[in-house]
Amino acid sequence: GNSVTQMEGPVTLSEEAFLTINCTYTATGYPSLFWYVQYPGEGLQLLLKATKADDKGSNKGFEATYRKETTSFHLEKGSVQVSDSAVYFCALSDGSGGYQKVTFGTGTKLQVIP
Amino acid sequence: DVKVTQSSRYLVKRTGEKVFLECVQDMDHENMFWYRQDPGLGLRLIYFSYDVKMKEKGDIPEGYSVSREKKERFSLILESASTNQTSMYLCASGGDPPRSPLHFGNGTRLTVT
Repeated sequence: GNSVTQMEGPVTLSEEAFLTINCTYTATGYPSLFWYVQYPGEGLQLLLKATKADDKGSNKGFEATYRKETTSFHLEKGSVQVSDSAVYFCALSDGSGGYQKVTFGTGTKLQVIP
Repeated sequence: DVKVTQSSRYLVKRTGEKVFLECVQDMDHENMFWYRQDPGLGLRLIYFSYDVKMKEKGDIPEGYSVSREKKERFSLILESASTNQTSMYLCASGGDPPRSPLHFGNGTRLTVT
């Protein structure tokens, strides 16, 4: 079956530091890949996505590139802010069977300190 | 913007009670999902539905049932609540797989005492 592995947290960074959160996956077929973010007390919301190999998703200064050769989708941001403190989930979706099957990683908590 | 609305943010119920968690989406999505989220375990799929009156078990369906009588509404039912069902419950909806992302509600934090 499909699986998503992301780095364990928590990750603590100083403001303006560079962020990388690693995500690797196993899947059959051609999944789409997503990063979701969960701010305290809220549900998950889509941060960015990529639907085919070599696609780069980007949003709010975050980027991730769909690397089929390394089965990875690492999340990066050049300069984090305190407001980026949240839990980040990597996920993949395949449409086998005609409906969505979404597999989530376990989440990485990011804390940014001033 | 897609809106997924869960009827309660916080619920406190007693052991043995029947509990209904309601979820409504406004984007005409075919697919709807119920997850529970627990520290250290991430999101675990309870049930999902890909059409009205259709449902499929997820990874942890025991102790739960669901109802989808209308396309926009997906209900999670705890037939007899137990303390190990204390958790955060997240509803989501999604469009055509696999490219469409999921849209989540803000969650219901259920405490069973």
